[in-house]
Amino acid sequence: AQSVAQPEDQVNVAEGNPLTVKCTYSVSGNPYLFWYVQYPNRGLQFLLKYITGDNLVKGSYGFEAEFNKSQTSFHLKKPSALVSDSALYFCAVSLTGFQKLVFGTGTRLLVSP
Amino acid sequence: DTEVTQTPKHLVMGMTNKKSLKCEQHMGHRAMYWYKQKAKKPPELMFVYSYEKLSINESVPSRFSPECPNSSLLNLHLHALQPEDSALYLCASSQVLPPDTQYFGPGTRLTVL
Repeated sequence: AQSVAQPEDQVNVAEGNPLTVKCTYSVSGNPYLFWYVQYPNRGLQFLLKYITGDNLVKGSYGFEAEFNKSQTSFHLKKPSALVSDSALYFCAVSLTGFQKLVFGTGTRLLVSP
Repeated sequence: DTEVTQTPKHLVMGMTNKKSLKCEQHMGHRAMYWYKQKAKKPPELMFVYSYEKLSINESVPSRFSPECPNSSLLNLHLHALQPEDSALYLCASSQVLPPDTQYFGPGTRLTVL
């Protein structure tokens, strides 16, 4: 079965510092990995995805993620955090022919001024 | 334009009411989804439509009834709901089934009294 783990319920970082939100996955095949962000009382916004190719994926709002096959990880990163990045972040995985997108439990990012 | 619209934004209903949630996309996507999301939890898949046909029903109670009148519209008909059905209901669409990127609407906040 496909699954995604986000080991941290919350990540705290000061504005201007780099941030990392962790995600590990477990699939029986080649994964397709996604990051979404959700602001309070809003829908999920797509940030970036990995399908194949370059292990470093660049996305919206200065976010990037690195696919690491040996560690089965897909951590979300940003070089310099903004207070406005404070939100709930979801990692998700899917497979070719698999009709579902499986979400992690979410990580709350809190960026302090 | 990657916009999915949902109406209404908020809905309060009694347990004996019948109401409908609406979702619309004009991106030419052929897969559409309904999710239920409780506070601070990941979205839970309810239904998937592919080319206007129901593809997945995640054992959702019959008091939730989906409908896909055409490729741009998705409805969720609600009847005899329970207070525990109160949640944010999210609609999403994608070009075809996963692993294509799913784009989410802003959601309908449903409260069942």
